[in-house]
Amino acid sequence: VQLRESGPGVVKPSETLSLTCTLSGGSISNHFWSWVRQAPGKGLEWIGYVHNSGNSNYNPSLKSRVVMFLATSRNEFSLRLTSVTAADTGIYYCAKVGLSTVSLNLGWFDPWGPGTLVIVSS
Amino acid sequence: DIVLTQSPGTLSLSPGESATLSCRATQSLNNKQLAWYRQRPGQAPRLLIYDASNRATGIPDRFSGSGSGTDFTLSLSRLEPEDYGVYYCQQYGDSYTFGQGTKLEIK
Repeated sequence: VQLRESGPGVVKPSETLSLTCTLSGGSISNHFWSWVRQAPGKGLEWIGYVHNSGNSNYNPSLKSRVVMFLATSRNEFSLRLTSVTAADTGIYYCAKVGLSTVSLNLGWFDPWGPGTLVIVSS
Repeated sequence: DIVLTQSPGTLSLSPGESATLSCRATQSLNNKQLAWYRQRPGQAPRLLIYDASNRATGIPDRFSGSGSGTDFTLSLSRLEPEDYGVYYCQQYGDSYTFGQGTKLEIK
């Protein structure tokens, strides 16, 4: 399974950031898929996850601005983040969410796409 | 939110030595809901350990994870030059959060 992010490298403040993650070597169905971001020189922040059943969950700090959805026919999933500011600048990664057989919880992220840099600037 | 604190901030070791990285959570992760990643400059993170002690596919047995409750450890033995990078822990007991990272330098 390989993932690759795509989308505009620059987004204007107050506009909507739209990214797509395309999967190859596997099916997007019946799995959970996530977005994680990393501000320049900073740590990692989980944005949310989505499943083809419609099940989704977002980071509470971003929930009011985030939507994720799948396009199973194209084997891809997408992120939309509205009303962006400079604080949304960073590398955005897509990843598959692993399911723990111990806790039966959604857990780790593997594999990851290479990431795409998004700069919020006018 | 569960906050993860990693220590030390930086480790500088020589090839062949061993490294011990720590991750402490503000709440107990009852089902060992913790993962470890390595991120090299310009690359995406790579999963090393999940459920606190299970190695991910392709990860050599020089890497081992341990711990429970609030205290977890990633141990690396027989360090190799390619082990450099920033190591992150991540919890999935309550939402998903990452530690701030430990930078491992190989002399």
